[in-house]
Amino acid sequence: EIVMTQSPATLSVSPGERATLSCRASRSVSNNLAWYQQKPGQAPRLLIYGASTRATGIPARFSGGGSGTEFTLTISSLQSEDFAVYYCQQYNNWPPLIFGGGTKVEIK
Amino acid sequence: QLQLQESGPGLVKPSETLSLTCSVSGGSIISNSHYWTWIRQSPGKGLEWIGSIYYSGSTYNNPSLKSRVTISVDTSKNQFSLKLSSVTAADTAVYYCARHLSYGHVNFDYWGQGTLVTVSS
Repeated sequence: EIVMTQSPATLSVSPGERATLSCRASRSVSNNLAWYQQKPGQAPRLLIYGASTRATGIPARFSGGGSGTEFTLTISSLQSEDFAVYYCQQYNNWPPLIFGGGTKVEIK
Repeated sequence: QLQLQESGPGLVKPSETLSLTCSVSGGSIISNSHYWTWIRQSPGKGLEWIGSIYYSGSTYNNPSLKSRVTISVDTSKNQFSLKLSSVTAADTAVYYCARHLSYGHVNFDYWGQGTLVTVSS
């Protein structure tokens, strides 16, 4: 089973700054990776699929990159509504569909 | 706009069976392109995929939950359901229903709001 590892666990960033989140797969998942944002008390929201394609309605400040085993989610200029937990998810080899452990982006 | 809504008991006793239903509105559960899925999130923890079902009844389950999971679909009611047997406190979680493509980009594009199920005597 593929293991998805996200780092850091917590990222402290000031509004307006850039945030870069990492996701590593224990073996190649090609570009079959998605990113989600989850705010307290809400269901996750799909941000990115195919490692780099923004989902419908997602602002351009969110961008995804990488392939194989190393992936990044970059938020170019953090807005107040971006402080949340972010999860990656692989779908190259399933079942099972596997999520990373999450990165919490908090206000510095 | 597609909407999913979970329903079911919020409290289940240890060793009993957890039962939840997801009602789909704004679209048909009969889709050649999608699976319907259950995901859970233990308090303060990450996301765990439980399993998925196609409208025909074909399923995929997470091996980590072994044979405790049964997912079924009722196309006449536009609903699908989850049964998790022999629950313990470790099964306490927010349970989400969601949708994903049956091929290609298998990610979760529509989600229910989630329902908290507590396992306690």
